[in-house]
Amino acid sequence: QVQLVQSGAEMKKPGASVRVSCKTSGYDFDSYYIHWVRQDPGQGLEWMAKIDPSGGGTDYAQRFQGRITVTRDTSTSTVYMEVRNLRSDDTAVYYCARPWGYCTGGVCSDAFDVWGQGTLLTVSS
Amino acid sequence: DIQMTQSPSSVSASVGDRVTITCRASQDIRNLLAWYQQKPGKAPKLMIHAASRLQSGVPLRFSGSASGTDFTLTISDLQPEDLGIYYCQQADSFPRTFGPGTKVELK
Repeated sequence: QVQLVQSGAEMKKPGASVRVSCKTSGYDFDSYYIHWVRQDPGQGLEWMAKIDPSGGGTDYAQRFQGRITVTRDTSTSTVYMEVRNLRSDDTAVYYCARPWGYCTGGVCSDAFDVWGQGTLLTVSS
Repeated sequence: DIQMTQSPSSVSASVGDRVTITCRASQDIRNLLAWYQQKPGKAPKLMIHAASRLQSGVPLRFSGSASGTDFTLTISDLQPEDLGIYYCQQADSFPRTFGPGTKVELK
């Protein structure tokens, strides 16, 4: 079955970097974008970035631009997100998610139907 | 960015009650709206897409509707397993944005 399995919890100091992985399986890796969504403690959901695994093209939310990089390894069907210059307010659960496409009324879009289990990142001195 | 608001922030209801959650977009999103359910410590689960289309496997007591930039999620016969936080999300443009969530609790 379709699965997204993320790397384990991380604890980092302010100013450090972290790389979170999202290993996919059960489907054609090249055929679906992978997105990253973060959830601050006890808070809502925030979209961060997406990558097109087939060509590697990326798109980032403006507030993360320049501080995160999303890459992929097609040989292992894994997507990575690196966050640099960590701050205490980066403490959050980070999810990868795969969208499921649909069309309605002549317009096509998607929704996140498969999610990783989440990776808790704690940033503290 | 498109702003999404939800009301109420929390609702307390009894088993068998009808629960209604409202979501509003700051601009026209062409009914490209999804609803997610999240339980503690778990990833969100897609419940409805395109404002009113039930995802496969989601119980029929869940329904969604749209009127302009206002969207509604209804649980017609609340069950204990329906407890959690519900988020709306617009899928019209990037960045994708979510509502702040509505917590559904048992009275």
